[in-house]
Amino acid sequence: QSALTQPASVSGSPGQSITISCTGTSSDVGYYDLVSWYQQHPNKAPKLMIYEGSKRPSGVSNRFSGSKSGNTASLTISGLQAEDEADYYCCSYAGSRTVLFGGGTKLTVL
Amino acid sequence: EVQLVESGGGLVQPGRSLRLSCAASGFTFDDYAMHWVRQAPGKGLDWVSSINWNSGAIGYADSVKGRFTISRDSAKNSLYLQMDSLRAEDTALYYCGKDQAMGGHGSIDLWGRGTLVTVSS
Repeated sequence: QSALTQPASVSGSPGQSITISCTGTSSDVGYYDLVSWYQQHPNKAPKLMIYEGSKRPSGVSNRFSGSKSGNTASLTISGLQAEDEADYYCCSYAGSRTVLFGGGTKLTVL
Repeated sequence: EVQLVESGGGLVQPGRSLRLSCAASGFTFDDYAMHWVRQAPGKGLDWVSSINWNSGAIGYADSVKGRFTISRDSAKNSLYLQMDSLRAEDTALYYCGKDQAMGGHGSIDLWGRGTLVTVSS
């Protein structure tokens, strides 16, 4: 069970778009369409932003979108806003009743 | 109100045990899988364990397999984590989470506030 690989940090200016990658293997990200993304503000519980790769829960802005290509999933945030500054984590089902998280990406809005 | 409330954390010596509880309310507990996810101070999220809706399918991270046991009680709408042989590296804030589905594939749409476990002599 190895953690999924995310960039440690990304940044962007208000109004711009950014993409956070999440690289796994053919046994997890590449095999299952079960990648989710979480947003976590400091000292707060995580919040589900994307599930099953590209689906948005009710109430999540359509500025957030998810996709996958091979063993890499991606989260794109368009029209960046100050409130988007947070840590983002990807998560994938990995079979045999196990789940993996990525190491997390700190998003800075310049 | 739809919520999860964890309890049972605290300071414990290495090698000892602790039992965490998570009280669920505001939704049909029996319809969903549940998870425990932890976060060490200043670190990222770390999945610990999951249990499906009827306790028929359970999974553990390699780091806790054989030491931790997850369970649920539908009569009490509660989730538990029995933690034995605790190590310093188990020190973390432990979150209880509700999956979107019965099976439990990692889409956690409801989180508690967490309970802090500190393992130290």
